[in-house]
Amino acid sequence: EAQVTQNPRYLITVTGKKLTVTCSQNMNHEYMSWYRQDPGLGLRQIYYSMNVEVTDKGDVPEGYKVSRKEKRNFPLILESPSPNQTSLYFCASSPRTSGGRYNEQFFGPGTRLTVL
Amino acid sequence: GEDVEQSLFLSVREGDSSVINCTYTDSSSTYLYWYKQEPGAGLQLLTYIFSNMDMKQDQRLTVLLNKKDKHLSLRIADTQTGDSAIYFCAEILNRDDKIIFGKGTRLHILP
Repeated sequence: EAQVTQNPRYLITVTGKKLTVTCSQNMNHEYMSWYRQDPGLGLRQIYYSMNVEVTDKGDVPEGYKVSRKEKRNFPLILESPSPNQTSLYFCASSPRTSGGRYNEQFFGPGTRLTVL
Repeated sequence: GEDVEQSLFLSVREGDSSVINCTYTDSSSTYLYWYKQEPGAGLQLLTYIFSNMDMKQDQRLTVLLNKKDKHLSLRIADTQTGDSAIYFCAEILNRDDKIIFGKGTRLHILP
């Protein structure tokens, strides 16, 4: 089944304890992205990657790191989590169209993170 | 900076049409999207429109694009209880492929 998977789905942690949220897609998509969703703020892009070893900052990259060593995986790393990073996180992937653009985003199920 | 604006709430009676509006900033965006998020779920692409189109119809959904005013709308005909969700407008910026989402419009269906 074509899908984007994220782990863990739920995580409660404490301030300063490094954590990684994994994201994996089995559709051979070039484009992968991380978003956070907060009430009243909608969906904001954290980082995105257009291909292996290529990553770019989205709108809210502060406090996050990503890596794209393989096409299928795009982990999100919080080196020193803080309470303002409590949020619902979504990973997504997207294929490149024949015209060279990116089209539909396929979203993972979400990871609810609470930082105490 | 870039911003995608949409109203936060819309209430519609079952059977009526729903119209959700959105304004975007990048006139060179190639694709404009509507995503649907049901409670407790991720986002799913509902429909999209290519920038050289004015209108796209897909069953009960009609997307209208006014490039001059940078205005996008989604019309849902014969709104059903299953249409109750948050609807997000989004654009992909042509210059750097960054994706900007609106804050989402929560559609509430009245009996």
